[in-house]
Amino acid sequence: SQQGEEDPQALSIQEGENATMNCSYKTSINNLQWYRQNSGRGLVHLILIRSNEREKHSGRLRVTLDTSKKSSSLLITASRAADTASYFCATERNQGGKLIFGQGTELSVKP
Amino acid sequence: NAGVTQTPKFQVLKTGQSMTLQCAQDMNHEYMSWYRQDPGMGLRLIHYSVGAGITDQGEVPNGYNVSRSTTEDFPLRLLSAAPSQTSVYFCASSYGGYGEAFFGQGTRLTVV
Repeated sequence: SQQGEEDPQALSIQEGENATMNCSYKTSINNLQWYRQNSGRGLVHLILIRSNEREKHSGRLRVTLDTSKKSSSLLITASRAADTASYFCATERNQGGKLIFGQGTELSVKP
Repeated sequence: NAGVTQTPKFQVLKTGQSMTLQCAQDMNHEYMSWYRQDPGMGLRLIHYSVGAGITDQGEVPNGYNVSRSTTEDFPLRLLSAAPSQTSVYFCASSYGGYGEAFFGQGTRLTVV
């Protein structure tokens, strides 16, 4: 069974607004990662947060991790039309490159 | 660098046919893995490898075989294609330890 559950499944906002996506998982992890997938393309790594970290920033991205609640959130600030994509959280528990993905959030940013 | 290269990009198979999806990476990554992506299901791990000669099963391995004879290549074989294997397949690689994965552009497979 999949590790991650994402919420919401779909999100539609206007350019300039912030977008928040949430991810929950079931077991202990080493790290949690967020990926972006543009339509029909491969996944691109956005950010990784380790289990001993609570918050991480990268440009317009802010990720939080709450290991007590087994949840994470991804905030995209000042969104742009180019941010339109599907966003996936993925957890890594053991070494070996095995990622367990959530079902994804489909973000639509309207100009 | 090309990164992770998957071939073919599109494939149509008849039920019962076999084929191999190719995956190659030029980053000298130890870890490689195969995922399938179905609508509303996210990505699910099929098989993975932590180095040449070492492979193991993921979440949905049935109907697929893999081998890893070199660091660069990690082919995925469909033994006898079934309509349930219609999906988009992604190969990924990562350096080692814990860290980001690099994905190929995917192979869209349809089994009729």
